[in-house]
Amino acid sequence: AQSVTQLDSHVSVSEGTPVLLRCNYSSSYSPSLFWYVQHPNKGLQLLLKYTSAATLVKGINGFEAEFKKSETSFHLTKPSAHMSDAAEYFCVVEAAGNKLTFGGGTRVLVKP
Amino acid sequence: DTAVSQTPKYLVTQMGNDKSIKCEQNLGHDTMYWYKQDSKKFLKIMFSYNNKELIINETVPNRFSPKSPDKAHLNLHINSLELGDSAVYFCASSPSSGRTTYEQYFGPGTRLTVT
Repeated sequence: AQSVTQLDSHVSVSEGTPVLLRCNYSSSYSPSLFWYVQHPNKGLQLLLKYTSAATLVKGINGFEAEFKKSETSFHLTKPSAHMSDAAEYFCVVEAAGNKLTFGGGTRVLVKP
Repeated sequence: DTAVSQTPKYLVTQMGNDKSIKCEQNLGHDTMYWYKQDSKKFLKIMFSYNNKELIINETVPNRFSPKSPDKAHLNLHINSLELGDSAVYFCASSPSSGRTTYEQYFGPGTRLTVT
């Protein structure tokens, strides 16, 4: 069975500073992994996905994530936070049949 | 143009009522899903349909019945609503299920409040 753990429920950063959102997964096989973002009262938008190609994945809005099999991690980073990055972020692992398992979410607060 | 749309956006109803949420996608995708997001933002899949055929049916009370009249629509009907059904329900779609991984496209959500 697949599971996802997001290590921080809340992250607070200052505008212009780096953002790090941590995600660990467990899977019985080589998984596909995603990061989704949910802005307040909005649906979920895909930031990036890993599907066994390059381990460093670049997404939209300057985000990137690195797949580390040895650490079973898929952390999301951005070099410089913007006010518009304030949102809830979900790390997601895909099981067979496109069944997604979501992490608990990390709420990002960006301070001016 | 909206890719995945849901109606209504908000739904407030009393316990015991029956209600439906509609979902439509204009992306030409074969697979559609329903997710439930609880008050703690935890998201869990409920159902998945591929070309009108049910392929994922999680442990969901049988008061919840999905219906897919065609591959562009997946509606969710809920009978005898309970307080615990209050949540945000998201519809999603993807090109296909199976061995190939495709990202899912989510609708804006329907906030259901049962009083």
